[in-house]
Amino acid sequence: AAGVIQSPRHLIKEKRETATLKCYPIPRHDTVYWYQQGPGQDPQFLISFYEKMQSDKGSIPDRFSAQQFSDYHSELNMSSLELGDSALYFCASSSQGAYGYTFGSGTRLTVV
Amino acid sequence: GQSLEQPSEVTAVEGAIVQINCTYQTSGFYGLSWYQQHDGGAPTFLSYNGLDGLEETGRFSSFLSRSDSYGYLLLQELQMKDSASYFCAVRDSSGGGADGLTFGKGTHLIIQP
Repeated sequence: AAGVIQSPRHLIKEKRETATLKCYPIPRHDTVYWYQQGPGQDPQFLISFYEKMQSDKGSIPDRFSAQQFSDYHSELNMSSLELGDSALYFCASSSQGAYGYTFGSGTRLTVV
Repeated sequence: GQSLEQPSEVTAVEGAIVQINCTYQTSGFYGLSWYQQHDGGAPTFLSYNGLDGLEETGRFSSFLSRSDSYGYLLLQELQMKDSASYFCAVRDSSGGGADGLTFGKGTHLIIQP
């Protein structure tokens, strides 16, 4: 079965650089979520989209932005990167009414 | 806001049964979910309780008591592959649309042979 696809799997950036993470949800899933997980931490909700519209917002820094495109894939744009942005970034998708979310394998971002 | 409390670590023996508890304080409640995460892996959905009672899925069961703001995940016939972190989670807001989840800090389950 198709899963949530995230790219790249690993990314190394320098401070103050910009990064773009991509997420391709499971086909026919209409909702996408982004989460950040630091080492040994729980996943922190950043932002979600339903039918290409921003739906809910969590602890997403102003330096980050995201959007969902017509083909339902989503991108998380991160600017002015800081050392503290180093984390695993997960994308998850679901269909409306579903109880569980399906997470992608994540993008490991390292800021040096 | 939301807060969830769960033990940081639990140790159990292969073949045994273990219970991971979760208490929550939320401004609104729209169900308690459980996720499993192996080191370096993605969270995997295990179960959901929207109403009081027990939900069973194979070796895993989850229980909810809304009056006590309490739930637990029960794992039976423990296998070494069950060694992972387990997170309880609640919806973050109104229950409509694409609400984010607030996760507990996670319980690291250690299985000993």
